[in-house]
Formats: sequence, C-alpha cells, structure tokens
Amino acid sequence: DAGVIQSPRHEVTEMGQEVTLRCKPISGHDYLFWYRQTMMRGLELLIYFNNNVPIDDSGMPEDRFSAKMPNASFSTLKIQPSEPRDSAVYFCASSLASPGLNTGELFFGEGSRLTVL
Amino acid sequence: GNSVTQMEGPVTLSEEAFLTINCTYTATGYPSLFWYVQYPGEGLQLLLKATKADDKGSNKGFEATYRKETTSFHLEKGSVQVSDSAVYFCALSGTGYQAGTALIFGKGTTLSVSS
Repeated sequence: DAGVIQSPRHEVTEMGQEVTLRCKPISGHDYLFWYRQTMMRGLELLIYFNNNVPIDDSGMPEDRFSAKMPNASFSTLKIQPSEPRDSAVYFCASSLASPGLNTGELFFGEGSRLTVL
Repeated sequence: GNSVTQMEGPVTLSEEAFLTINCTYTATGYPSLFWYVQYPGEGLQLLLKATKADDKGSNKGFEATYRKETTSFHLEKGSVQVSDSAVYFCALSGTGYQAGTALIFGKGTTLSVSS
C-alpha cells in the first residue's frame, strides 16, 4: 500500500514567491497533520485536520501560511509570500485515529524540503 | 500543557556500544509515550510506545519503560549498529483538555554510530 505522498520533494524559490506543498494521506485515515522541521526549533505542528475539517491551526506561524483539505485524499499547505526564514522540511502525516487518544500511530511522508533564497 | 524534554545530541557511539537517550515529560493525567525514529532523508516512523505506567515498549532491540515516578521514558539498546544512525524523537499524547489532540514531540536526538 502507498504511504503518505508529498510533493514536491524539493523546492527552491525566491523570496516573495508563492509556494504550494501537497499531500496525499493514506486512504481511510481520518486525521492529517502538517509539521515543520528546522534545526533550531525541531519538529513543530502547524495544523491538523479531522475528516477534512481544520481542528487546530494555532501552530501556523502567521497569515502568510494557509492550509486546506478539500477532500479526504488531498491537502495543501501554501505560503504566500515566502521568506527565507520559511526554509525548512515540511512533513505531512496521517493517522487512522487520534494519536492523542492513544489509539493512533502517525504515518509520515518523506517531507518537502523548501529553500527560500 | 504537556511537554517533553529529551537529551541534546549528537550522540556518537561505536558499533556494539550501549545506548541511552534520556526523555522526561511534564503532563497532567496519564499520557501515552512514544519514540519515533527518522532515518536520513525519510519521514518519522513509530519505533515503540507505552500507554500506561510501568509498560515497556520494545522493537528492533530498542526498549523504553514508562516510569511515572520519575516522569521518564528513556530509550535504550544494548548493542547499537551502524544502521541505527538516525534522529530519535520522544513524544507524548495530550491529556485532559488536550486529549484528542496531536502528539507533542521533543526536539530530537541525533545518533551517529561508527564501525
């Protein structure tokens, strides 16, 4: 079975440009998470969805970031305009049940490495 | 809110050495505890977990015991291999008003094993 699929794997862009990261969760999983990983801050939760509905977006850094989940098999994370400090690896993860309720294991994609020049 | 602290890395060991990576947590109630591993160029994957006090999680030769009295969940392996080189993350679940929320991860500890 396919795991969580993210695209692009690598993105290099210039400051001010719009960036769109994409994620296809594992079929049947009800939860989808977006994380950002940097050397300085480690792994940060940006936002997560349950049944396509955003539950907690308190980790989204600022208004330049937005995330959508139009259906159960697709989500996007958009940064507009991008800045050099947004450079990081962005991970998408999905889960069959809530990991916070001790029943769900998180399955991560391979990540999208973003470099903003 | 709940939080987790793990030892700073990097940890550098020779093959067959004993490994300990410390993890302590702060939580109200009774969280579940997890170790995730990230191999180079990959996403995180679950290594082991424990859902209640005194439980021992184990997988691939790694072990961790849920110690409520010391609020710890240290990761151990008796004999590491070069293939264990990775970043290890301790994590815990939300409790109380945070129950049902996403996992809370530590900052990760990089392990490098040389032959």
